[in-house]
Amino acid sequence: SAVISQKPSRDICQRGTSLTIQCQVDSQVTMMFWYRQQPGQSLTLIATANQGSEATYESGFVIDKFPISRPNLTFSTLTVSNMSPEDSSIYLCSAIGQGAGEQYFGPGTRLTVT
Amino acid sequence: RKEVEQDPGPFNVPEGATVAFNCTYSNSASQSFFWYRQDCRKEPKLLMSVYSSGNEDGRFTAQLNRASQYISLLIRDSKLSDSATYLCVVNRNAGNMLTFGGGTRLMVKP
Repeated sequence: SAVISQKPSRDICQRGTSLTIQCQVDSQVTMMFWYRQQPGQSLTLIATANQGSEATYESGFVIDKFPISRPNLTFSTLTVSNMSPEDSSIYLCSAIGQGAGEQYFGPGTRLTVT
Repeated sequence: RKEVEQDPGPFNVPEGATVAFNCTYSNSASQSFFWYRQDCRKEPKLLMSVYSSGNEDGRFTAQLNRASQYISLLIRDSKLSDSATYLCVVNRNAGNMLTFGGGTRLMVKP
């Protein structure tokens, strides 16, 4: 299994500002993902973080709003740019383990935009 | 139509009860199926994979019906600690991308 940590665990930000969330995995993993989970909702995939190349975004998510970096096989960042209250959500990092589809999740970053 | 549909519940059951959750998926090309569990204010964690032949892990039994594109999870002898949201998860087109259902909330009461 993979152990995933995220920083910060929570933050309260003002609209118009940006927040960068860090995700660290304790072992090298092939794939890393970023999800959003809004209150009372299930998880929505934002993008796949590709090591050494641009992230692959899902429909409805764009690089200008959610720039992602993945400089190596154990670390990724997600930036939520020019935030608005609609961006208030939990942002979760995940990684693929040894089994196909066996994804492990970080504890999430709870973001509140005022 | 959502790609993965679940009854949101909540299912309120007494301890010791047997409860079943159902899930349907729309992508017939999906190859891998899972049940995840998410506790309140926690991240999702893999509960079990779902195989075509059906599989059992202690009190939990998962079934897959590919023809009907239907997945189920049965929990026997419910415990208070089983209270959580259960997420039906399906991969997309045999790849590693996962689609999550909306989750079914279970509350087990004494």
